[in-house]
Amino acid sequence: AQSVTQLDSQVPVFEEAPVELRCNYSSSVSVYLFWYVQYPNQGLQLLLKYLSGSTLVKGINGFEAEFNKSQTSFHLRKPSVHISDTAEYFCAVSDQWDGTASKLTFGTGTRLQVTL
Amino acid sequence: EAQVTQNPRYLITVTGKKLTVTCSQNMNHEYMSWYRQDPGLGLRQIYYSMNVEVTDKGDVPEGYKVSRKEKRNFPLILESPSPNQTSLYFCASSRQGAGTEAFFGQGTRLTVV
Repeated sequence: AQSVTQLDSQVPVFEEAPVELRCNYSSSVSVYLFWYVQYPNQGLQLLLKYLSGSTLVKGINGFEAEFNKSQTSFHLRKPSVHISDTAEYFCAVSDQWDGTASKLTFGTGTRLQVTL
Repeated sequence: EAQVTQNPRYLITVTGKKLTVTCSQNMNHEYMSWYRQDPGLGLRQIYYSMNVEVTDKGDVPEGYKVSRKEKRNFPLILESPSPNQTSLYFCASSRQGAGTEAFFGQGTRLTVV
């Protein structure tokens, strides 16, 4: 079984400042890692994912995340945020060896609030 | 346009009155699932389906039923809703296999009084 910990429930930040949203996971097997974003009154959409290869993954809207196996982390970063980045961000994992299912295990979410 | 459609978006009902939330996808995905989202708990999987007539329990299945008679549809049924089922519900679909992107519906906000 896997679990995901998002250490910050809320992150306030000023526009154009950098931001990092933290995510740590626990699993007894290898995993795939995801970040999803939920804008107000909308469903979730994929920001980026790590399957294999380079540990630095680039996603949409200027976000990137780095997979660190030794620290079991997958932190999300953006060098300069915009008001439109205000949303809730979810880190998720799926079992890499579960070839017949696509179950995602989500963290509790981090609300990013960008202000002027 | 690829999409997952849930209906209704908002629903207020009374305890014990059976209801169904519909979910339909147009991407020919094999895998579909239902999640509930609660403050401080993130998204938790209720039920999932790997294909037509193949369904299984997720992490929080109590009080819910599902069916998968057609590939595109995956309705969520609450036979006797209770106030602790007040939540935001999401349907999602994806291709079969780990590592694939999940596509989510817009959500259904359910209030049981």
